[in-house]
Amino acid sequence: EAQVTQNPRYLITVTGKKLTVTCSQNMNHEYMSWYRQDPGLGLRQIYYSMNVEVTDKGDVPEGYKVSRKEKRNFPLILESPSPNQTSLYFCASIPRRGGLDNEQFFGPGTRLTVL
Amino acid sequence: QKEVEQNSGPLSVPEGAIASLNCTYSDRGSQSFFWYRQYSGKSPELIMSIYSNGDKEDGRFTAQLNKASQYVSLLIRDSQPSDSATYLCAVNGRGAGGTSYGKLTFGQGTILTVHP
Repeated sequence: EAQVTQNPRYLITVTGKKLTVTCSQNMNHEYMSWYRQDPGLGLRQIYYSMNVEVTDKGDVPEGYKVSRKEKRNFPLILESPSPNQTSLYFCASIPRRGGLDNEQFFGPGTRLTVL
Repeated sequence: QKEVEQNSGPLSVPEGAIASLNCTYSDRGSQSFFWYRQYSGKSPELIMSIYSNGDKEDGRFTAQLNKASQYVSLLIRDSQPSDSATYLCAVNGRGAGGTSYGKLTFGQGTILTVHP
């Protein structure tokens, strides 16, 4: 089944404890992206990746790191989480079809709480 | 001004009515426009994409784009209770590296409730 998977789905942690949220897609998509969703603010892009070893900042990259060492994986790293990073996180992947079509396929989401 | 702004909600319509969702965007260079539906606790799912001025119809959904006015809308005809969800407008933009593919900016969403 074609899908985007995220782990963990739920995480409660404490301030300053490094964590990684994994994202994996099995559709051989070139592009992958991370978003956070907060009430009243919609989805905001954190980082995206156009290919292996190629990443670019989204709208809210501060406090986050990403890496793209393999095409299928795009982990999100919080080196020192803070309470303002409590949010719902979505990973997405995008097939390279050319032209203007860049539909994003979303993972199920990871709900993160930083105490 | 926000880059992508949606009409404030929540929006409530009776079953069978037309629901109208609106979105404006600030980047005149944007070329791709999307409407996503998100049920509570679930991930967004794409329902419409539009790239050219005018209307695009798919079943009960019609997307309308006016690039001169920087405006995109979604009409849902014969609204059903199952259409009750948050609708997200998304517009492609330009990343820090100048690329646009994959760079999406979302509006804050409009909550739609269709009551029987």
